[in-house]
Amino acid sequence: LAKTTQPISMDSYEGQEVNITCSHNNIATNDYITWYQQFPSQGPRFIIQGYKTKVTNEVASLFIPADRKSSTLSLPRVSLSDTAVYYCLVGDPSNDYKLSFGAGTTVTVRA
Amino acid sequence: GAVVSQHPSWVICKSGTSVKIECRSLDFQATTMFWYRQFPKQSLMLMATSNEGSKATYEQGVEKDKFLINHASLTLSTLTVTSAHPEDSSFYICRASGGITEAFFGQGTRLTVV
Repeated sequence: LAKTTQPISMDSYEGQEVNITCSHNNIATNDYITWYQQFPSQGPRFIIQGYKTKVTNEVASLFIPADRKSSTLSLPRVSLSDTAVYYCLVGDPSNDYKLSFGAGTTVTVRA
Repeated sequence: GAVVSQHPSWVICKSGTSVKIECRSLDFQATTMFWYRQFPKQSLMLMATSNEGSKATYEQGVEKDKFLINHASLTLSTLTVTSAHPEDSSFYICRASGGITEAFFGQGTRLTVV
């Protein structure tokens, strides 16, 4: 399983853009990059998934460089309700893949 | 997205008793179920993986006789914590997987053993 490294914590203010970078140097060819959000006492919630280049949905963007050894989750105009732990995971989804969670990034949004 | 329902959301039990947690995939067939445990302010730790109709595969350090996993159908998996003790108090989360690229988790179960 590919190991991921991301910052332990980040602080931001309402309305700002938050960018969280994750390193995954030993990502395999079939691995996808997926980001999850977790609030206290809740299961992780899917945010976005990508394989290469850029992916955008209604809540976030995911930027993946050509070498795929890192990825950046971008949360535009955060609000207080975006305060949560964000996990970056890599794995091969084509074979009921295991997901191994790293420490995650605690994002705190202040007013 | 796909819906995974986990029940109960919280449970308190006496030391020495057993507790069963259910995980259901509501709108897809879950060929594989994963069970995680999360202690306060820590990340999720994978406990075991189960494929429908097969015995579960446990991660190193997880007691298979204590954490019984049943995955008898494509929509239901159960985790039974047998002879629970206070150190088993934790947040248990299931994940259902079934031929889709995204992974969906249950809401989690807060177990408190007193």
